[in-house]
Amino acid sequence: QVQLQESGPGLVKPSETLSLTCTVSGGSFSSYYWGWIRQPPGKGLEWIGYIYYSGSTNYNPSLQSRVTISLDTSKNQFSLRLSSVTAADTAVYYCARRIPVAGIFDFWGQGTLVTVSS
Amino acid sequence: DIQMTQSPSTLSASVGDRVTITCRASQSISSWLAWYQQEPGRAPKLLINKASSLESGVPSRFSGSGSGTEFTLTISSLQPDDFATYHCQQYKSYPYTFGQGTKLEIK
Repeated sequence: QVQLQESGPGLVKPSETLSLTCTVSGGSFSSYYWGWIRQPPGKGLEWIGYIYYSGSTNYNPSLQSRVTISLDTSKNQFSLRLSSVTAADTAVYYCARRIPVAGIFDFWGQGTLVTVSS
Repeated sequence: DIQMTQSPSTLSASVGDRVTITCRASQSISSWLAWYQQEPGRAPKLLINKASSLESGVPSRFSGSGSGTEFTLTISSLQPDDFATYHCQQYKSYPYTFGQGTKLEIK
């Protein structure tokens, strides 16, 4: 069974960079897309972006100027960096696996709350 | 971006009831729609893909239908575990977008 686990700081100051890592276990890292989705408190889900195991990326245009997703296949990890954060970036951040043939997410991490506050 | 609108936002129902949740897309997405269930404090769980294909292990009381711009998720006989929030997601085009969620509450 594939398992994903997010890790990273739960508190980030405004204007700084949010950094999270997702560790994947229990399955193959290759041939899949690995994505990030967030959910602000009391709101719906927002797709942030994904990275293919080969390293190609696709980002939500609304965040593209501030987002970087990277991969470390040797550690079965992928990471999210979101720069110049504001309070609007406060959310539960989920990492998830996207299936190869369609843009749906079949395995998710438990999520981690990141609060942007001074 | 394709806007996804769910209705209702909240639905109160009882165990054994049949309920239907609607998801509308701002433009045609063919059948490129998924449904997720999210229990409080938990990650979303994929229930249905391509509008009507049940994921393995999902009870048969769940069903999805629709194409184009209007879709429904139906639960034929509510069970206690079904009280959760349900999200639709389009994957016809980038960026992927979700509905705002429908919270299914116990009446």
